[in-house]
Amino acid sequence: EAEVAQSPRYKITEKSQAVAFWCDPISGHATLYWYRQILGQGPELLVQFQDESVVDDSQLPKDRFSAERLKGVDSTLKIQPAELGDSAMYLCASSLLGGNEKLFFGSGTQLSVL
Amino acid sequence: DQQVKQNSPSLSVQEGRISILNCDYTNSMFDYFLWYKKYPAEGPTFLISISSIKDKNEDGRFTVFLNKSAKHLSLHIVPSQPGDSAVYFCAAGAQTGANNLFFGTGTRLTVIP
Repeated sequence: EAEVAQSPRYKITEKSQAVAFWCDPISGHATLYWYRQILGQGPELLVQFQDESVVDDSQLPKDRFSAERLKGVDSTLKIQPAELGDSAMYLCASSLLGGNEKLFFGSGTQLSVL
Repeated sequence: DQQVKQNSPSLSVQEGRISILNCDYTNSMFDYFLWYKKYPAEGPTFLISISSIKDKNEDGRFTVFLNKSAKHLSLHIVPSQPGDSAVYFCAAGAQTGANNLFFGTGTRLTVIP
């Protein structure tokens, strides 16, 4: 079964450093999402792409976070500079069209900022 | 402001019994609802969904019930198995707008053998 690929699985960094996460959605999925899940909470949307265009980035802290999906396939999420409060699981998900359908999630990147 | 709420952080059930996980939502624009299951260090995996035009959807041991007037849904697992032990997230979305999902905070289910 096709999967959403994410790397790295784990990342430890010091505050003020830059970090980047990569996601490759299921082939053919037009919609890609980045979610952040803080321990004990549910996933919260950071940014949503439809092909290469941003559909919703209203919850993305744009002073330090950036996301791109240049060719409408894989995507990179960057944090610069990282802060202690950024420690969380970063989840990438994709869906075929982005309508009322299920999202397929990757295994996530667990970020620890020291 | 949490639009999807799961008020029970944890639930323990004996193997073979029924597990009932509850979820409440506040946004009347939500018209489809999903349950996801999450194991530690893994991403959520889709379990079952329901559209607002239905009040029940069943898939094997899993049944989701939707009460639109109460803005409440529940997931029933029967019979519960030890492999069902995981965190369960309720999610909701609206067909209009950006079509992203809003998640609850999760309920940790433990099925005791």
